[in-house]
Amino acid sequence: QVQLVQSGAEVKKSGASVKVSCKASGYTFTGYYFHWVRQAPGQGLEWMGRINPNSGGADYAQNFQGRVTLTRDKSIGTAYMELSGLRSDDTAVYFCARGVSGYDWDYFDYWGQGTLVTVSS
Amino acid sequence: SSELTQDPAVSVALGQTVRITCQGDSLRRYYASWYQQKPGQAPVLVIYGKNNRPSGIPDRFSGSNSGNTTSLTITGAQAEDEADYYCDSRDSSGNHWVFGGGTKLTVL
Repeated sequence: QVQLVQSGAEVKKSGASVKVSCKASGYTFTGYYFHWVRQAPGQGLEWMGRINPNSGGADYAQNFQGRVTLTRDKSIGTAYMELSGLRSDDTAVYFCARGVSGYDWDYFDYWGQGTLVTVSS
Repeated sequence: SSELTQDPAVSVALGQTVRITCQGDSLRRYYASWYQQKPGQAPVLVIYGKNNRPSGIPDRFSGSNSGNTTSLTITGAQAEDEADYYCDSRDSSGNHWVFGGGTKLTVL
């Protein structure tokens, strides 16, 4: 069965970086994009970016340009999201999700369990 | 515009029908998907494309589209449907995605 398992909770200081992993299993790793979505406490979902696990090419939301880097390691079927220059408003749960796309439709059919990143000053 | 707009909160009586809407310019070009999220859990896909339900999603969930508006309808709402619902689609660039602000559904 398809599973996305994320790394554990992190506590970071302002200005630091955090790297969250998302290990995929149960399907061909290179067959689907990985998307990253975050959710601040009590807030809605916010799309951060996506990575093509085959080529490594990525697209980033404008709000995160220059601060977020998406990578992957095909050899171990794992995608990563690194966010730098952490601020208190980066405190959120970060999700990875598998993306399925067609000509004019898309969806995220499997999600990781989420990783809480807490940024303290 | 890259925004998707949802009503913040909607309520429905148990067993009745409720429609949750999502508006945005990108919906004229791209189909949205809909996610249900309960407290402390990851979102779950409930509707995608024109009106498709993933395996395991009850058939009381359905979707429709008209112009710049997409709708999620729950016919015969159940207590377990109480949750936050989010729409999502590509934005006008085609390479970025955007979520609506979410709708909190209360089943009375």
